[in-house]
Amino acid sequence: AQSVTQPDIHITVSEGASLELRCNYSYGATPYLFWYVQSPGQGLQLLLKYFSGDTLVQGIKGFEAEFKRSQSSFNLRKPSVHWSDAAEYFCAVGPQGFQKLVFGTGTRLLVSP
Amino acid sequence: ETGVTQTPRHLVMGMTNKKSLKCEQHLGHNAMYWYKQSAKKPLELMFVYNFKEQTENNSVPSRFSPECPNSSHLFLHLHTLQPEDSALYLCASSPGTSNQPQHFGDGTRLSIL
Repeated sequence: AQSVTQPDIHITVSEGASLELRCNYSYGATPYLFWYVQSPGQGLQLLLKYFSGDTLVQGIKGFEAEFKRSQSSFNLRKPSVHWSDAAEYFCAVGPQGFQKLVFGTGTRLLVSP
Repeated sequence: ETGVTQTPRHLVMGMTNKKSLKCEQHLGHNAMYWYKQSAKKPLELMFVYNFKEQTENNSVPSRFSPECPNSSHLFLHLHTLQPEDSALYLCASSPGTSNQPQHFGDGTRLSIL
């Protein structure tokens, strides 16, 4: 069965420091992978997606993610975190068509001054 | 993200009440979705509609009744809910005919007394 694991429930990063959020997936076919961000009181906003091709994908707000098939991972990175990045981040995997996404439990990012 | 609008934003109801959640999308999409987001659990897909036809019911209890009168509107009718149904209910939409990600609304926070 397909599943997504985000092993870190909470992460605290100092403003200006680099960030890496981990995502591991289990999927029987070619995975389509996504990262979404949710700010308090809001819905999910798409940060980036991976379909195929270049394994390093760029997204909005300065985020990037790298697909590593051998490790079944799709980790999210940002070189310098801003206070406004504090939010909850969700990794998701789905089949072609993207209609049956499976989400991880999320990682809450806290940014310290 | 204002393409998907959900009303009301907050709803408190008793277990014997009947209420409805509304979702409207202004993106010209043909697929619409209901998700349930509970604390410390992954986002759960409830229903999927494509071109007004229900194509996915993820074993949702019958006290939740979806309705999709057209491709722009989606309702979730609630009846005789249980305390464990308290959650954030998110609506999403996507083009439906291509590999394009889902766009989410800001959700309705539902509390069952």
